[in-house]
Amino acid sequence: GDSVTQTEGLVTLTEGLPVMLNCTYQTIYSNAFLFWYVHYLNESPWLLLRSSTDNKRTEHQGFHATLHKSSSSFHLQKSSAQLSDSALYYCALSDRGTQVVGQLTFGSGTRLQVYA
Amino acid sequence: DTTVKQNPRYKLARVGKPVNLICSQTMNHDTMYWYQKKPNQAPKLLLFYYDKILNREADTFEKFQSSRPNNSFCSLYIGSAGLEYSAMYLCASSRGGLGPLNQDTQYFGPGTRLLVL
Repeated sequence: GDSVTQTEGLVTLTEGLPVMLNCTYQTIYSNAFLFWYVHYLNESPWLLLRSSTDNKRTEHQGFHATLHKSSSSFHLQKSSAQLSDSALYYCALSDRGTQVVGQLTFGSGTRLQVYA
Repeated sequence: DTTVKQNPRYKLARVGKPVNLICSQTMNHDTMYWYQKKPNQAPKLLLFYYDKILNREADTFEKFQSSRPNNSFCSLYIGSAGLEYSAMYLCASSRGGLGPLNQDTQYFGPGTRLLVL
């Protein structure tokens, strides 16, 4: 079945440094959709980025990611971390396969902690 | 309005007792999902409704039930809670079916934190 791997459970950074959260995935389907969800404490998880286009950079709220199907990766990056970026970040995969609806397979999440 | 609401936000239950969690959305989404989230683990899909059709994951088939009396509401029911059910339960909704890319976006509620003692 599908799987998503986020190798870092916790990333700690000083404000102003670049952010990179790793995400790799496995699926037998070529039409994969990749997502980054962000989950702030006591709030609902919400969609930060999504992509299904190979080698195209997707940006939102200062974050960006590029889906690379050749390496099955969708790493999340930001040029300069802010204190308000501290949250739990989930990478997720959806593929149509033979299903009518796209079920999400989540990675285990990476907690980003930014310090002043 | 892209709000998904969940009630209650916190639930304390006794072992062996039933638990009923509620989710609602006003986006007229076809599909509603329930996930279980434990610390340091990925959210795990328990079941989802596509319109009136319930799909339950094979490994949680007998542990969780659900109902969807109308398009806006979906419940998650545990008949007899065990300690292993302690977790955060996240509800989400999306527009399902074939079509444009944005139909795969799932909108999440804030979750219900269940503690079974």
